[in-house]
Amino acid sequence: GQQVMQIPQYQHVQEGEDFTTYCNSSTTLSNIQWYKQRPGGHPVFLIQLVKSGEVKKQKRLTFQFGEAKKNSSLHITATQTTDVGTYFCAGGGGTASKLTFGTGTRLQVTL
Amino acid sequence: SAVISQKPSRDICQRGTSLTIQCQVDSQVTMMFWYRQQPGQSLTLIATANQGSEATYESGFVIDKFPISRPNLTFSTLTVSNMSPEDSSIYLCSVSGGQTDEQFFGPGTRLTVL
Repeated sequence: GQQVMQIPQYQHVQEGEDFTTYCNSSTTLSNIQWYKQRPGGHPVFLIQLVKSGEVKKQKRLTFQFGEAKKNSSLHITATQTTDVGTYFCAGGGGTASKLTFGTGTRLQVTL
Repeated sequence: SAVISQKPSRDICQRGTSLTIQCQVDSQVTMMFWYRQQPGQSLTLIATANQGSEATYESGFVIDKFPISRPNLTFSTLTVSNMSPEDSSIYLCSVSGGQTDEQFFGPGTRLTVL
C-alpha cells in the first residue's frame, strides 16, 4: 500500500532559526495536504497543494509540491515558539478524500 | 469549516469490554473518517463511513472489532470491541470539506485499556 515518509522525525531549533521537513510518497499523489498538531491537540489543516511544482506561502511558511507529485516540503522561516508541534503531510491519491498521513516531524523551538 | 465534537473525551476500560465513541458534526457531511493515533505516532485510518452504506475498512481493521454506525449526515459512532491493552490509543473522527479534500478533526477520545 501507499507509504508516506517524513524526515526528520524530530528537530530542535532555537527561536529565529529556519526549519524544513520533507515528505516522500511511494506513489504519485493527486494532492498533498499539510497539518499541524500541537501537543495534546488534534491535527489542524494548513494547506493543500494540487499542481506539479506548486509553491504556496502562508506568512513564514512555504510549501512546495514536487514535479513528480511524489514529494513535498514545508519550510518555516525564523521559527517562533508558537510553531512547536508535529507537522504531518498527508497524501491524497486513492479514493476521493481519503488521505494517507506521513510519519510526522516533531518540531521543538526554544528561546 | 466544520465543528466536531467527540464523546467521551477519555475513558479507562477493562480488557474484554467494549466502548462506543460518538462523533457529532455541526453540519451535514458526506464522508466521515475514523483514525487511530498511538502516542507519538502518526494517524492510521481505520475506516471511512458514508451515510447510507457500509463503512469501508482499511487493511488490518475489521468490522467485528471496530463496528461503525452512520445513521445520518451529522453523526457517527465507532465501537472498539473486546478491548485489549493494545487498543489503548487516541481515536479521532474527521470529516472532509465540502468542495475540497481538507479534513477537519474532532478533539479525539483517549482510550486506556487495563
